[in-house]
Amino acid sequence: NAGVTQTPKFRILKIGQSMTLQCTQDMNHNYMYWYRQDPGMGLKLIYYSVGAGITDKGEVPNGYNVSRSTTEDFPLRLELAAPSQTSVYFCASRPRQGDYGYTFGSGTRLTVV
Amino acid sequence: AQTVTQSQPEMSVQEAETVTLSCTYDTSENNYYLFWYKQPPSRQMILVIRQEAYKQQNATENRFSVNFQKAAKSFSLKISDSQLGDTAMYFCAFNMNRDDKIIFGKGTRLHILP
Repeated sequence: NAGVTQTPKFRILKIGQSMTLQCTQDMNHNYMYWYRQDPGMGLKLIYYSVGAGITDKGEVPNGYNVSRSTTEDFPLRLELAAPSQTSVYFCASRPRQGDYGYTFGSGTRLTVV
Repeated sequence: AQTVTQSQPEMSVQEAETVTLSCTYDTSENNYYLFWYKQPPSRQMILVIRQEAYKQQNATENRFSVNFQKAAKSFSLKISDSQLGDTAMYFCAFNMNRDDKIIFGKGTRLHILP
């Protein structure tokens, strides 16, 4: 059972480039999330989804886009990368609200130069 | 709005000692869940322990236990017989029963010294 799989693990982008961070889960979880973690800091929610076809903004959505065409996949798109987007990105999932904590992926370290 | 506060940015203890990490939260809800997550240098986020607000009994997982004080809105994590592998960032987190999102504190960096 793979859990939550994120690719790539590391990436260096040039300013203005675009990329997609991939996230896949094989646990049939309805809820999926994208967080960013800046160095030495906590987690900030970028976008989340409560099911296929449904997405919603978190606290820091600017500069990002998401889609949820299937239960398994929740890709995060960065358009026109900026140095402020240098961070570690985590994807997470859970089966439902309430008593379940998140299952996290192993993260993607992104550097924009 | 719900908030989670971890007042200790960084702590250091000797191996084999017991350490307590503090967490307070603010909510007007009655049904909610609390979590502690561990993030070691590998950066993987690992769920350590969880507590349901309707349960008075404190949750325990091996060397990890919590002191849940609902009236005081306090949720501290105790690590007994600390080990070098406990060195990590620890995040306290809160989730209302009806909310889609978990709210995280800013974290406490814990160093276990040999």
